Amino acid sequence: DIQMTQSPASLSASLGETVTIECLASEDIYSNLAWYQQKPGKSPQLLIYYANSLNDGVPSRFSGSGSGTQYSLKISSMQPEDEGDYFCQQSYKFPWTFGGGTKLELK
Amino acid sequence: EVKLVESGGGLVQPGRSLKLSCAASGFSFNDYWMGWVRQAPGKGLEWIGEINQDSSTINYTPSLKDKFTISRDNAQNTLYLQMSKLGSEDTAIYYCARVVLHGYFDYWGQGVMVTVSS
Repeated sequence: DIQMTQSPASLSASLGETVTIECLASEDIYSNLAWYQQKPGKSPQLLIYYANSLNDGVPSRFSGSGSGTQYSLKISSMQPEDEGDYFCQQSYKFPWTFGGGTKLELK
Repeated sequence: EVKLVESGGGLVQPGRSLKLSCAASGFSFNDYWMGWVRQAPGKGLEWIGEINQDSSTINYTPSLKDKFTISRDNAQNTLYLQMSKLGSEDTAIYYCARVVLHGYFDYWGQGVMVTVSS
């Protein structure tokens, strides 16, 4: 199975701060990567797919980048509603696998 | 509006079976792959598997392939997850999700809790 390693496990950001979350795959996944946001008690929501494509309705402050084994999610200006857990997911090879998650809090 | 509503969860004894349902509405159900993902309490997400439009292709995560069976009824717009030989490690929230493009989940249900305990 492809292992997805996310970092950091948690972070706290101030209002307006730029936030970056990293995801490292155990092998090349050729940009077959998604990012999800999960707020407490809610279902995950798709933010980014194919590593850098913004899902409909997702604010433009979210962006994704990367290639090969290294990917990142950036929030350009932290907002209160961005608090939650973030997960990456590879869809290059079965079984699809998720990263362990990053808990993002507002400082 | 796309809606996915899971049901059938609850408390089940170890070794028993349980069948979850996911009722879909607001989109053409038989045009999409559908999948199941679970999340143990306080933990991350685990992909269970997914099924194609006419049920001819079903993919599972290897560790669950012999315990779980995914099926669908396009006439009833419903996705199913049959779980057998349940153990405490299967305690989790189970989500159904619509699959788009290449393995991405664009809509999720609210989730249903399954607790395996004696």
